Amino acid sequence: GAVVSQHPSWVICKSGTSVKIECRSLDFQATTMFWYRQFPKQSLMLMATSNEGSKATYEQGVEKDKFLINHASLTLSTLTVTSAHPEDSSFYICSARDGASFAGEQYFGPGTRLTVT
Amino acid sequence: AQKITQTQPGMFVQEKEAVTLDCTYDTSDQSYGLFWYKQPSSGEMIFLIYQGSYDEQNATEGRYSLNFQKARKSANLVISASQLGDSAMYFCAMREPYNTDKLIFGTGTRLQVFP
Repeated sequence: GAVVSQHPSWVICKSGTSVKIECRSLDFQATTMFWYRQFPKQSLMLMATSNEGSKATYEQGVEKDKFLINHASLTLSTLTVTSAHPEDSSFYICSARDGASFAGEQYFGPGTRLTVT
Repeated sequence: AQKITQTQPGMFVQEKEAVTLDCTYDTSDQSYGLFWYKQPSSGEMIFLIYQGSYDEQNATEGRYSLNFQKARKSANLVISASQLGDSAMYFCAMREPYNTDKLIFGTGTRLQVFP
């Protein structure tokens, strides 16, 4: 089946620093990737849609200058949390849409747990 | 606006029994897709099953089946012969049509399977 990887799986950083999270589709090409945020015991909230070779589309209320998204190739998208603060601590999950699939289901990465101290 | 509702915050089921997880949705579109995902405690989201709005038959994938009732706008997940490994959070999601394939998730149901 389709596999999506995320790196790192967890990260602890100090307030004010930046953190980069990578999302890779390992065995398929993903023209579209999605970034979600999940707080404890809550559902997934879409942050942005990342399209290869173009600017990301951010959901309402998500600061594009704080959450930088780059989708440089058909298998890699990155999310950079700039000047992280404790309130940015969360579980970040990416997904990649399998364009070759009729249903177009999204396959999710294992997630990255970010803790900002 | 599209919306997904999961009214069961938690469910218990005994091993080997069947369980139904409820999901209702609201949309004015005629074309849409419905998904169920499983999220174990490790956090990854595992795709379980898909139902298209024009599919006439209910989707099935192994022990998972989707009870799709279009007129009632419900898409309940049925897990047959529950196993201890089925204990997890389950999310129902709807794909917005005609745009960027964004998924809208429900609040989830925590399923616990006991021996």
